[in-house]
Amino acid sequence: DQQVKQNSPSLSVQEGRISILNCDYTNSMFDYFLWYKKYPAEGPTFLISISSIKDKNEDGRFTVFLNKSAKHLSLHIVPSQPGDSAVYFCAASEGTGTYKYIFGTGTRLKVLA
Amino acid sequence: EAQVTQNPRYLITVTGKKLTVTCSQNMNHEYMSWYRQDPGLGLRQIYYSMNVEVTDKGDVPEGYKVSRKEKRNFPLILESPSPNQTSLYFCASSPLAGWDYNEQFFGPGTRLTVL
Repeated sequence: DQQVKQNSPSLSVQEGRISILNCDYTNSMFDYFLWYKKYPAEGPTFLISISSIKDKNEDGRFTVFLNKSAKHLSLHIVPSQPGDSAVYFCAASEGTGTYKYIFGTGTRLKVLA
Repeated sequence: EAQVTQNPRYLITVTGKKLTVTCSQNMNHEYMSWYRQDPGLGLRQIYYSMNVEVTDKGDVPEGYKVSRKEKRNFPLILESPSPNQTSLYFCASSPLAGWDYNEQFFGPGTRLTVL
């Protein structure tokens, strides 16, 4: 059973517009969430994270929103740039002291110039 | 340069022939982990280690072994590989102190094919 789901395998967005990537989870014990970006032939790189004590975390063009009651998080990229084209994975863990991570299946973002 | 290295990057082998994929990090990180990436399944955690001589199972440990005899190294061992272990493997490391301890640094990946 997939505890972390990214239901959109792919997304295309025009350069300069907003990209919204979604992630749903089923385990109510998850309280720390991360987004990673992956380019072809490279390992994933960390993008942004959020703890369950927050509902929003911002880092430059990237903002992650967490809705605990809906068990849903989203990554907003504004404005989108062609270099953002990559596969994005969300990941979840049960927080401090727990070192297991569950990743979603990924969403391939294509930003069109 | 701070990095996680994996060797080999590509490997084609046959069923049953024992193999080891090495992973090394130069950031003095306590935490290390192995993942496999498969189409439609995303990244799945195989094993992880919080420090030397401390390892634990992730979500898909069957058919794999690990060891952590030194802080910098975390080899992944397939004692009797099978075709269903054909996959892209990533090693990752992370510090365990501070707010961002969960951020993992990934290696470049090892593409394994088992015939």
